Amino acid sequence: AQSVTQLGSHVSVSEGALVLLRCNYSSSVPPYLFWYVQYPNQGLQLLLKYTSAATLVKGINGFEAEFKKSETSFHLTKPSAHMSDAAEYFCAVTLYNQGGKLIFGQGTELSVKP
Amino acid sequence: GAGVSQSPSNKVTEKGKDVELRCDPISGHTALYWYRQRLGQGLEFLIYFQGNSAPDKSGLPSDRFSAERTGESVSTLTIQRTQQEDSAVYLCASSVGQGKYEQYFGPGTRLTVT
Repeated sequence: AQSVTQLGSHVSVSEGALVLLRCNYSSSVPPYLFWYVQYPNQGLQLLLKYTSAATLVKGINGFEAEFKKSETSFHLTKPSAHMSDAAEYFCAVTLYNQGGKLIFGQGTELSVKP
Repeated sequence: GAGVSQSPSNKVTEKGKDVELRCDPISGHTALYWYRQRLGQGLEFLIYFQGNSAPDKSGLPSDRFSAERTGESVSTLTIQRTQQEDSAVYLCASSVGQGKYEQYFGPGTRLTVT
């Protein structure tokens, strides 16, 4: 069965610093991978997704992620953090034969210090 | 256009009572998913519907949980004889199809069992 591990339940960065949120997956077949963001008191919003096309995926708000099959990773990065990036971030995986049901990681709460 | 809506937004119920949670998906979305988010945890898949196919109920935690969907529109999640461990935010999502397609999430229903 597939699974997702997000390293670090809390990450704190300074405004303007690099954001790196880690996600590793376990899957027996090529996966579809997603990053969702949840702002305080709001629903989940898709940041970006990998669906077997380009391995470097660009999303909204300056975020990007790279699918690395050899490392079974899909880490999320942003070159320069903004205060507005403070939120909870979830990595999720599904397989082509799973009907789209997402298996989520535990989430990483990102704090941005001024 | 209208997004996914859920009602009620908050529900407080006594242990042992039954509750019904409602989800209105985006019009035209054939796939509908229910997830549960317990405090401090990631999202947990419960059930999904795709068109007229039999639903995938593999994530329902017990037989106290059930869900229905009317055609490709409204869905209700019913929890019978609620227990304190059922306290969570219940999220609904809809999508144009299965697998690699983005899921659009509603704001959730926060259920508290006292």
